[in-house]
Amino acid sequence: DTGVSQNPRHKITKRGQNVTFRCDPISEHNRLYWYRQTLGQGPEFLTYFQNEAQLEKSRLLSDRFSAERPKGSFSTLEIQRTEQGDSAMYLCASSFVPPKAGGLVSTDTQYFGPGTRLTVL
Amino acid sequence: SQKIEQNSEALNIQEGKTATLTCNYTNYSPAYLQWYRQDPGRGPVFLLLIRENEKEKRKERLKVTFDTTLKQSLFHITASQPADSATYLCALEPDTGRRALTFGSGTRLQVQP
Repeated sequence: DTGVSQNPRHKITKRGQNVTFRCDPISEHNRLYWYRQTLGQGPEFLTYFQNEAQLEKSRLLSDRFSAERPKGSFSTLEIQRTEQGDSAMYLCASSFVPPKAGGLVSTDTQYFGPGTRLTVL
Repeated sequence: SQKIEQNSEALNIQEGKTATLTCNYTNYSPAYLQWYRQDPGRGPVFLLLIRENEKEKRKERLKVTFDTTLKQSLFHITASQPADSATYLCALEPDTGRRALTFGSGTRLQVQP
């Protein structure tokens, strides 16, 4: 399977515990994104990487959240001291955007993984 | 404030009919807009992208229009099938070059056999 994979698919934890999620993007993709989605809402952007550099973080990303993408391949998202409000689906997406796209604005079609559903008790 | 609005009410239609979903946005000037499909418990799947200078885009039974004056995109599924039942999300890049997509909350489509 050459799509985006995420592990674990489900995680149940107690409030105050730390959790870590992993995302393996499509191998040739240079961009990797993390989103959070709650029931009835669209995905909300958390952070993204170009290769190994973390280029942007959302205001939603409190200091309890940290993400890494060592060597520009897989990425991990860690949540420390989880709270019940952290319960959500955490989605990873990847894309490839070439360095230059001529006269056109380059577009960014993102390919999503199946998500990790986090439940904080 | 910036908003992307999709009809939160589920759309129920009969098999064979055309489904039309609406995406309206406020205080954005996107260079392009995308539509994704999401099934329960799964990540979104890309369907179509339309640029600001394109009025219409088609792919098989899917058609998307983009009206930058009305700040609206319409997504059509012709000859709908029960397998088309899913939530459909529109998404745009809020600022050109800032790659984070902003999504609407999605519209759930239910196609009755």
